[in-house]
Amino acid sequence: NAGVTQTPKFQVLKTGQSMTLQCAQDMNHEYMSWYRQDPGMGLRLIHYSVGAGITDQGEVPNGYNVSRSTTEDFPLRLLSAAPSQTSVYFCASSLQDSLTEAFFGQGTRLTVV
Amino acid sequence: GESVGLHLPTLSVQEGDNSIINCAYSNSASDYFIWYKQESGKGPQFIIDIRSNMDKRQGQRVTVLLNKTVKHLSLQIAATQPGDSAVYFCAETPAYRDDKIIFGKGTRLHILP
Repeated sequence: NAGVTQTPKFQVLKTGQSMTLQCAQDMNHEYMSWYRQDPGMGLRLIHYSVGAGITDQGEVPNGYNVSRSTTEDFPLRLLSAAPSQTSVYFCASSLQDSLTEAFFGQGTRLTVV
Repeated sequence: GESVGLHLPTLSVQEGDNSIINCAYSNSASDYFIWYKQESGKGPQFIIDIRSNMDKRQGQRVTVLLNKTVKHLSLQIAATQPGDSAVYFCAETPAYRDDKIIFGKGTRLHILP
C-alpha cells in the first residue's frame, strides 16, 4: 500500500514552460486536493476534487489546472510557469466521510527561474 | 472572512514536559478543526480533529480543546518526546459539507534535551 505518491520530487522550470505534477493514491479515496507551501506560511489550497469528473477551485487557483478522470489520479498542470509559482506542492487524499483525516504525499519542490 | 492563525511561531519545551500549542480562528461557522504535524521534508500528517459542537477530544498523548467563546483552539501533547519535534498546523473546514481544509501558518515545536 503506497498511499499518496507524487512525482517528480524536484523540478526546475524556465519561465513560460508548462508541466504536470503527478499525484496518485491507491486507497480508493474519493477526495483529493493540491496545496502549495511557501516559506513561513501554511498550506494554501489550489484545487480539490470530491470524485472522478468533479473538480473545484481552492484559495489560489490562478495559473493551475486540474482534472480527475479516475479515482486514483489527480494531476496538477502549470500552463505557463512563473517565478511566483516556485513552491513546494503537496497532494492529499481522504475518504469523503473522513475528510479531515487527509493523507499527504511527500511533496514536489518546484523552482521556476 | 476565513482565517486560521497561530499565536507563536516557535515553542521550545523540555523533553518530558507537556506542550501546549495554540491557535486562533475567526470563522464561527467552521465545522471541524484539525491539527496536523509536519516533520522536516515530509508532508503533513493528521493528528486529531474536533467538531465544532464539542469542547474537548482526546487521542493518544494528545488532547484538543475548543473554546468557541473566544474562538481559540489548542493542542496539548503530554510527556513531549524528541519525535514530537515538528511544525504543527491548525486547520479548519469552513462550513458544514464545505469540502475544503484551510490551513493556518504553523508553530514549530522544539524539544530541549
